[in-house]
Formats: sequence, structure tokens, C-alpha cells
Amino acid sequence: GNSVTQMEGPVTLSEEAFLTINCTYTATGYPSLFWYVQYPGEGLQLLLKATKADDKGSNKGFEATYRKETTSFHLEKGSVQVSDSAVYFCALSSRGGGNKLTFGTGTQLKVEL
Amino acid sequence: EAQVTQNPRYLITVTGKKLTVTCSQNMNHEYMSWYRQDPGLGLRQIYYSMNVEVTDKGDVPEGYKVSRKEKRNFPLILESPSPNQTSLYFCASSSDRNTGELFFGEGSRLTVL
Repeated sequence: GNSVTQMEGPVTLSEEAFLTINCTYTATGYPSLFWYVQYPGEGLQLLLKATKADDKGSNKGFEATYRKETTSFHLEKGSVQVSDSAVYFCALSSRGGGNKLTFGTGTQLKVEL
Repeated sequence: EAQVTQNPRYLITVTGKKLTVTCSQNMNHEYMSWYRQDPGLGLRQIYYSMNVEVTDKGDVPEGYKVSRKEKRNFPLILESPSPNQTSLYFCASSSDRNTGELFFGEGSRLTVL
């Protein structure tokens, strides 16, 4: 079956530091890949997505590239802000699987001044 | 404002006392679903609905029921709650059945004693 593995958190960074959150997946076929973000006390929001190999999703300074050869979709940001503190979820949906998402366990990011 | 609204946001109840968590969306979305979020497990899908009167099981449907009598509403029913249903519940909706782009509610934290 499908599965998503994320790095354990929490990740604590200073403001303006470089961020990488690792995500690898197992799936049959060619899934679509997503990063969702959950700010404290809120529901999840779609941050970015990629639907095929070598696609790069980007939004709000965050980027992730769909790497089929390494089955990875790592999230990166060049300079984090305190306002980026949240829990980040990597997820996939199988082609033809509708909107059913398989989520990773989430990685908490804390950004300090 | 486009939103998915869940009620109640917080609930403490006792084993066996039937409860309903309501979910309503104002975006005219056809697709709606319920997830539960547990530490170390990420989000897991409980039920989903492709349209009015069309519902189907997700990965963890045991102990839950749903209905979809109107397009905007998708209530989650726990007929006889048990402590293992203590969790954070999210309702989500989407305008498309296959994009994986979900709009989430703010969550309902349920404790079953």
C-alpha cells in the first residue's frame, strides 16, 4: 500500500535559516505529491503540490521537487520566518485514487528570533 | 468567506453516549471527507462522499457513520463512542474529485471518557 515517511520533529531554527524537511514515499504508479501546513489551532492548508516527476511545486517561498528516482519530495525554504512555525505534512494521492490522501506523521517547525 | 465549519470544536463525552459532529461548507463542493489525526499516525481517512447520497468508507470507518443528504453538509456520527475514538477530527471538501486539493475545517477535538 501507499505510505509517506517524514523526518521526526520538532525542527528548531533561527529566523533566516535554511529549511529542509525530508519526505519519502512508497506508492504504486505515479502519485501526486503534496505539502500541507497546519498553523496552531487551525486546519490544514495546501502549501504546494506536484503531479509528475521533476515537477517543482512552490508557494510562499517554499519549494519541493518531485524526484521519482529517489521517491522523495523534500520541502525547502531559503530563509524562514517566525510566522512559518507550524506543523508540515507530506502527503500523496494515487492516480485514479480520487482525493484520498495518505499523510505522513507531520514535522513540527519552530522558528526563533 | 469560503470556509468549512465544524461543530463542536471541543467535546468531552462518556462511553456510549451518541454524538454528532457537524460539518458544513459554503463553496458548493461535491466532494467531502472526514479524517482523524492522532499523534505519530498523521491523518487517516474515515469516510468520504463524492456527492449527495453517495458515501464510502475510508481507511478507518469502524465505529463511525456519515450521511450526505445535502451538498453542503456532511455530519459524522458516533453511535456508541469508545475511548479509542478520542482524537482530533477534521472535515475537508474539494471542488474536484481527483486533485487532492482539500479545504479543511479547523478541527473538532473529541475526548471520550
